[in-house]
Amino acid sequence: QKEVEQDPGPLSVPEGAIVSLNCTYSNSAFQYFMWYRQYSRKGPELLMYTYSSGNKEDGRFTAQVDKSSKYISLFIRDSQPSDSATYLCAMKPYSGAGSYQLTFGKGTKLSVIP
Amino acid sequence: EAGVVQSPRYKIIEKKQPVAFWCNPISGHNTLYWYRQNLGQGPELLIRYENEEAVDDSQLPKDRFSAERLKGVDSTLKIQPAELGDSAVYLCASSLIWNIEETQYFGPGTRLLVL
Repeated sequence: QKEVEQDPGPLSVPEGAIVSLNCTYSNSAFQYFMWYRQYSRKGPELLMYTYSSGNKEDGRFTAQVDKSSKYISLFIRDSQPSDSATYLCAMKPYSGAGSYQLTFGKGTKLSVIP
Repeated sequence: EAGVVQSPRYKIIEKKQPVAFWCNPISGHNTLYWYRQNLGQGPELLIRYENEEAVDDSQLPKDRFSAERLKGVDSTLKIQPAELGDSAVYLCASSLIWNIEETQYFGPGTRLLVL
């Protein structure tokens, strides 16, 4: 079992839909959680960064963390064609050796259809 | 502010040939990472530098991969000789180490195809 599991999709939704992207993890040492967006032939771009259980909102994006279930989510409201990309979850420990090292999911490829 | 710059963007070589990738991090970022991203996978760390020191190269296949970061700014990642399985996107990222968040900013990557 990989430390971070993410459904690779692809996921196709109509414009304006609410999108839910999810990751589960097995390592309880992970304390910091990130979502990156990666457009085709580009590098990953940080979207959201959170370290506490609960919700964090930024515009149309909401990151949700449930440490008790080892489950994180990214919600995209009013999805736009420009949101079409691969979304990668990433996480790292709080401190100690390797605290900088990000463990990524495989990424979920999202297409928003006009 | 300029982002992380990588070159070349694409490289096609035959197996057993050498190849090198170059990265220029965001100005002022003292930490630099090289990642490899295979098709349909997330990035995996190869090596991390703090200034000019390689502080974590445990996942770098040292028999054929080497890296350097002279003067603690630009970095070069080299593969010699390349194998078919090295086909991937090689990403460079940089960050400032001085806080726990240490957000990593990625470059566009070099897409390598080994024939």
